Amino acid sequence: QKEVEQNSGPLSVPEGAIASLNCTYSDRGSQSFFWYRQYSGKSPELIMFIYSNGDKEDGRFTAQLNKASQYVSLLIRDSQPSDSATYLCAVFMDTGRRALTFGSGTRLQVQP
Amino acid sequence: NAGVTQTPKFQVLKTGQSMTLQCAQDMNHNSMYWYRQDPGMGLRLIYYSASEGTTDKGEVPNGYNVSRLNKREFSLRLESAAPSQTSVYFCASSEETGNTEAFFGQGTRLTVV
Repeated sequence: QKEVEQNSGPLSVPEGAIASLNCTYSDRGSQSFFWYRQYSGKSPELIMFIYSNGDKEDGRFTAQLNKASQYVSLLIRDSQPSDSATYLCAVFMDTGRRALTFGSGTRLQVQP
Repeated sequence: NAGVTQTPKFQVLKTGQSMTLQCAQDMNHNSMYWYRQDPGMGLRLIYYSASEGTTDKGEVPNGYNVSRLNKREFSLRLESAAPSQTSVYFCASSEETGNTEAFFGQGTRLTVV
């Protein structure tokens, strides 16, 4: 089992729709959770982070965390073609390795 | 406003050659990282340095060595390159380890033939 799992996609949504990206993680002691966006050929850039159970909203983005289910998600409202990218989930785990562990990413395609 | 700077951006090596990837950050961050990214594999941690003077192995350290030269610079060395090391390499830094945002360099695309 991978430590951080994401569906590779592609996830295709029409412009203006809500895109829902999901991530599960294996370590129950994980402390913090990050969503990065990566355009093709570019480096990852942070969209949001979340530490506590529940929802956290930032503009069109909402991160949702459920530690009991070991599940974190990212919702993108009013999706735009410019949101088309790969979204990487990253988790800081309580394993002694003091660095983020990344999932393999979900490719999102927003159709105009 | 440089952030994290990696050199070179592209490199082609022959099997068995050695090279060093350079990384420097100007954000006064304590922690620095080297990741590799392969298609379908996401980012995998090679080595990291929690603070100046310390380095630790990550998930895939075999075939690599690192040096934290000072607070700003963290280099990655391939002593004898192998085709399996063909990848995109990203250096990143953060204020502290893990719990804070990591900022990434622009990446080095390495091909070993």
